[in-house]
Amino acid sequence: DQQVKQNSPSLSVQEGRISILNCDYTNSMFDYFLWYKKYPAEGPTFLISISSIKDKNEDGRFTVFLNKSAKHLSLHIVPSQPGDSAVYFCAARDSYSGTYKYIFGTGTRLKVLA
Amino acid sequence: GAVVSQHPSRVICKSGTSVKIECRSLDFQATTMFWYRQFPKKSLMLMATSNEGSKATYEQGVEKDKFLINHASLTLSTLTVTSAHPEDSSFYICSLWTLDYNEQFFGPGTRLTVL
Repeated sequence: DQQVKQNSPSLSVQEGRISILNCDYTNSMFDYFLWYKKYPAEGPTFLISISSIKDKNEDGRFTVFLNKSAKHLSLHIVPSQPGDSAVYFCAARDSYSGTYKYIFGTGTRLKVLA
Repeated sequence: GAVVSQHPSRVICKSGTSVKIECRSLDFQATTMFWYRQFPKKSLMLMATSNEGSKATYEQGVEKDKFLINHASLTLSTLTVTSAHPEDSSFYICSLWTLDYNEQFFGPGTRLTVL
């Protein structure tokens, strides 16, 4: 059963506009959420994270929003740039298990059109 | 952040052979390392959690006798795919976690192709 879901496998956005990537989760024990960016044949690179005690975290062009009641988080990229084109994974951490392991979503392929 | 390397980056082997993938932490002592695999257009699936000096903890459905993990030191973990078959062909990625950071740092991955 997929505990972390990204229901949009792909997204196309015009350069300069906002990109919104969504992620839903089912486990209310997740305490930390992250977004990773991944290019083909490379490992994921960390983008931004948010603790479950917050509802927003901002870092430059990237903002992550967390709605705990809806078990939903989103990544906003504004303005979008062609270099942002990649696959984006959201991940949730289950610290209560003591292993700090991450559960990844299925990814959303973002394409920013010039 | 931490720098993680993986070797080899790509390997092609014949069915039935064993392949060893190394994951090294270049600037941090990693008490915990994770091994993932990714099928094309799929998510990263956690295979096992590796703690230095102890046996790895495998996720449900992952055969521990097939995917041997050895975390011999605080900077090195190895994944050995034993008696590889074509269905083991995948992209294998390691990551490390330290108390100093709140996220995992990933290696560049290893593409395994079993003929």
